[in-house]
Amino acid sequence: RKEVEQDPGPFNVPEGATVAFNCTYSNSASQSFFWYRQDCRKEPKLLMSVYSSGNEDGRFTAQLNRASQYISLLIRDSKLSDSATYLCVVDNFGNEKLTFGTGTRLTIIP
Amino acid sequence: NAGVTQTPKFQVLKTGQSMTLQCAQDMNHEYMSWYRQDPGMGLRLIHYSVGAGITDQGEVPNGYNVSRSTTEDFPLRLLSAAPSQTSVYFCASRYRGQLSFGPGTRLTVT
Repeated sequence: RKEVEQDPGPFNVPEGATVAFNCTYSNSASQSFFWYRQDCRKEPKLLMSVYSSGNEDGRFTAQLNRASQYISLLIRDSKLSDSATYLCVVDNFGNEKLTFGTGTRLTIIP
Repeated sequence: NAGVTQTPKFQVLKTGQSMTLQCAQDMNHEYMSWYRQDPGMGLRLIHYSVGAGITDQGEVPNGYNVSRSTTEDFPLRLLSAAPSQTSVYFCASRYRGQLSFGPGTRLTVT
């Protein structure tokens, strides 16, 4: 089983819709969790950290479920500019080695 | 602040050639790392450094060397390029668990 798994998609979603991605991780001792966004042929950029209590940043909501070992990202009222690949990132043991998922590709359709 | 910079942006090598990918950051981050990104594989850690004079191997270190003589610079050296090293290479610095990536180097080995 991969350390971090994501549905690769693609997710093709109409503008204005709500879309959710999940990411599962295998190591129950994982410490920190992040969502990064990567545009085509660009570098990944931090979208948001994921906190145990869940957190929200505008249209984006991140949740952590330690019991089931997954994190989620919810995007409400999706915009064309949300089209990108979303990478799930897990920090194991705090050992300076982050593990990346392969990414979920999202396309917002006008 | 320029953030994390990488040179070159594109490079074509012949099998057996050596070269150095340059990476610099001006944020005074202690932690720096090199990743390679291949289709369907996600980002994989090559080498990382937690401070000047300290380096360690990541997930896929074979065929690559690094050094860290200053906080600012973290070059990646390909010793003898192979077609399997065709990839996109990202340098990143890290602060409080959050990575800042450079724009990447697209390397093709023929």
